[in-house]
Amino acid sequence: EDQVTQSPEALRLQEGESSSLNCSYTVSGLRGLFWYRQDPGKGPEFLFTLYSAGEEKEKERLKATLTKKESFLHITAPKPEDSATYLCAVLGSGNTGKLIFGQGTTLQVKP
Amino acid sequence: DADVTQTPRNRITKTGKRIMLECSQTKGHDRMYWYRQDPGLGLQLIYYSFDVKDINKGEISDGYSVSRQAQAKFSLSLESAIPNQTALYFCATSDHQFGEQFFGPGTRLTVL
Repeated sequence: EDQVTQSPEALRLQEGESSSLNCSYTVSGLRGLFWYRQDPGKGPEFLFTLYSAGEEKEKERLKATLTKKESFLHITAPKPEDSATYLCAVLGSGNTGKLIFGQGTTLQVKP
Repeated sequence: DADVTQTPRNRITKTGKRIMLECSQTKGHDRMYWYRQDPGLGLQLIYYSFDVKDINKGEISDGYSVSRQAQAKFSLSLESAIPNQTALYFCATSDHQFGEQFFGPGTRLTVL
């Protein structure tokens, strides 16, 4: 069964304190792993797509990496505006194009 | 202007009422999806459509129906709303089978 597990559920950081969010996945043949940012009451905002182990993508203070079993979202020197819930998703098996989402990690960055 | 729009943004209704949530997109994508989000359960797929003539059930389609009026419009209906359908509803689009999906701003639905 396709499954995505994110940890931790919640993370509190001081401004400037770097850390990483984890996304572990189980899927038959990975065809894409996606990271999204979601602010309260809003739709998920697309951040990155990763397709193969070893791939890395960067955007400002965020860097996503991928191995055969998990992905990490590294946040370097975070700012309060980085506070949000970060969602990880994989394309499910079959041809639906369905995204299998994890529960998310809620990040709070304090000034 | 937003690429994916949803109306209404908020809706309060009563048990047994029929309601429709609408989604429009200007991205030119063929694939459209409806998800619901519940606290602690993440996002779950309700229905998806690969083009105007192709509509498919997702993992939680019971109690819902959809209509793809055009490439750009995909509507979700609750035939007879019940309280456990209270949730955030999101529409999403993508341009190919393995591509990222782009989400609308969501509709917060409350069924009393």
